Amino acid sequence: DSGVTQTPKHLITATGQRVTLRCSPRSGDLSVYWYQQSLDQGLQFLIHYYNGEERAKGNILERFSAQQFPDLHSELNLSSLELGDSALYFCASSVGGTSGYTFGSGTRLTVV
Amino acid sequence: GESVGLHLPTLSVQEGDNSIINCAYSNSASDYFIWYKQESGKGPQFIIDIRSNMDKRQGQRVTVLLNKTVKHLSLQIAATQPGDSAVYFCAEIFYNQGGKLIFGQGTELSVKP
Repeated sequence: DSGVTQTPKHLITATGQRVTLRCSPRSGDLSVYWYQQSLDQGLQFLIHYYNGEERAKGNILERFSAQQFPDLHSELNLSSLELGDSALYFCASSVGGTSGYTFGSGTRLTVV
Repeated sequence: GESVGLHLPTLSVQEGDNSIINCAYSNSASDYFIWYKQESGKGPQFIIDIRSNMDKRQGQRVTVLLNKTVKHLSLQIAATQPGDSAVYFCAEIFYNQGGKLIFGQGTELSVKP
């Protein structure tokens, strides 16, 4: 157990739907990062939150959004889902922006 | 631009041999490099890191070498074991962009018994 908890582990949904992925960082970690991993794209950085504030954005689609709550857990919202959104979604946490990144075990999203 | 890539997509070695996984990067301004191991169905797991002001760093059975002149990073695994079979990613931290991690494509290491 890495200490980073992601739920759900698996999600199957239809095109056009909206889903929410949840991430609880390790105790004491203020930063949460979201990554998308698909077979043809590798691990792609989506977005970073630090203590509730957005710090950096990567290749995140407008249909996707995220937030970090006062208790530091984060949610990634994916809407108007398309088949191409099927992927593994990982979150990672760290105290700050250092090497201490710890990844969760991911949420596997399948859009049918 | 931001680009971290791997030379070889797959690597097959015999158990007990040493493995070398290579990585090329394009951003000479990065401060930190990390190697991650990802086993099937799991998230990336930190292996070892190296700061840009270092050339070499050793861990348990692993060594990372950094050649800033040619922008090349390598991970050496000594006495490779079947449990080392996984996909290995190099990653680069951009401190001036909130500390985001940019990953390379990954090399799949297969260890033959």
